[in-house]
Amino acid sequence: QSALTQPASVSGSPGQSITISCTGTSSDVGRYNHVSWYEQHPGKAPNLIIYDVINRPSGVSNRFSGSKSGNTASLTISGLQAEDEADYYCCAYTTIDTYVFGTGTRVTVL
Amino acid sequence: QLRLQESGPGLVKPSETLSLTCTVSGDSITSGRFDWGWIRQAPGKGLEWIGTLYYGGAIYYNPSLKSRVTISVDTSENQFFLKLNSVTAADTAIYYCAREPGPSNSGWHTWGQGTLATVSS
Repeated sequence: QSALTQPASVSGSPGQSITISCTGTSSDVGRYNHVSWYEQHPGKAPNLIIYDVINRPSGVSNRFSGSKSGNTASLTISGLQAEDEADYYCCAYTTIDTYVFGTGTRVTVL
Repeated sequence: QLRLQESGPGLVKPSETLSLTCTVSGDSITSGRFDWGWIRQAPGKGLEWIGTLYYGGAIYYNPSLKSRVTISVDTSENQFFLKLNSVTAADTAIYYCAREPGPSNSGWHTWGQGTLATVSS
């Protein structure tokens, strides 16, 4: 199974909104609403910020939102803050009962 | 509060078997419906799913690792395990254990801090 495709890097100024795409296939992203997103700061474990495409776990800022259209899922960070500078990964459940992660996106706050 | 803690030898020789343990505290590994997984991250690289132990007992593995990996559980010790045999330098990574609500396949809600396993002679 191939990794989901994400842009290598995305940047924005404080207060702006940015969107990270996650492109898969009809066997993963496009098949189920089981897409999750993770934030990872350097030297730290990943942290779940979105699950099942659109849901935020308790305690996660509402500045994070998710969506999906066809084989592409997206994560939007609104009101960008310095603390949002991190790596972001998507993950999808697949038709062969496996998971596949995205290639990862480095977010830089200018 | 739920806590997952990975442990294992930091250094493994090529061709040998990497054995890791995930110790669960703050909750019983058999309470509720939860799936347990292993995920790894090579230095400077992205995340790679290794396998999932479903609460019903089924186990699924990454096809690229399936021939070399085994996940098991010891409910009496509240631990689950990863064994990866015939390791090479490409298996050098931080290994994380994680938990997701079952049978949702919704995502990995809780993670351990990770343990670095280096394959080198």
